[in-house]
Amino acid sequence: GENVEQHPSTLSVQEGDSAVIKCTYSDSASNYFPWYKQELGKRPQLIIDIRSNVGEKKDQRIAVTLNKTAKHFSLHITETQPEDSAVYFCAASPFSGGYNKLIFGAGTRLAVHP
Amino acid sequence: DVKVTQSSRYLVKRTGEKVFLECVQDMDHENMFWYRQDPGLGLRLIYFSYDVKMKEKGDIPEGYSVSREKKERFSLILESASTNQTSMYLCASLPTNVEQETQYFGPGTRLLVL
Repeated sequence: GENVEQHPSTLSVQEGDSAVIKCTYSDSASNYFPWYKQELGKRPQLIIDIRSNVGEKKDQRIAVTLNKTAKHFSLHITETQPEDSAVYFCAASPFSGGYNKLIFGAGTRLAVHP
Repeated sequence: DVKVTQSSRYLVKRTGEKVFLECVQDMDHENMFWYRQDPGLGLRLIYFSYDVKMKEKGDIPEGYSVSREKKERFSLILESASTNQTSMYLCASLPTNVEQETQYFGPGTRLLVL
């Protein structure tokens, strides 16, 4: 079935450094790729998303890149801050006959140290 | 602003009990989802519903059932709770709109089965 692999599972950076999280997906028909941030004890919140007709999208310090040929997409956070510390989940939306179903990666725990 | 609420933040039940987890959304969304979240496994889809009285199995439906009698409410039922169902349960909703694929999550219910 559809699968999304996410790496690394944990990531530790110094404040101000960049952080990169990578995901690969199995269903070549997937066309929507959101990234969620989940702070401790809180619900997942969408931070950025990209569709298959776009190769890159940026929103302030956050950017996402998509390589459809290789079936992978990445989250880039620049100038990291302690408040960026959270668990990040990638997801892919496989073609499912019109139903909006997401397959999630296992998550990356990002720790930003002051 | 979309609001998705879940009936309990924390729940403790005994093995064999019947457990009801309730989710309510106030934005008239057609699609609703139940996930469980476990460390290292990300979010796994249990069941989803794309309309009142309609339901579809997700990736891990065994041991669970659902009910969608009203559009705003989606219930997850554990017919006979077992210790391996101890987890965080997240509900999400989504409108049927080809331009909108972002799922909105509830705060989660942390269930402990003793």
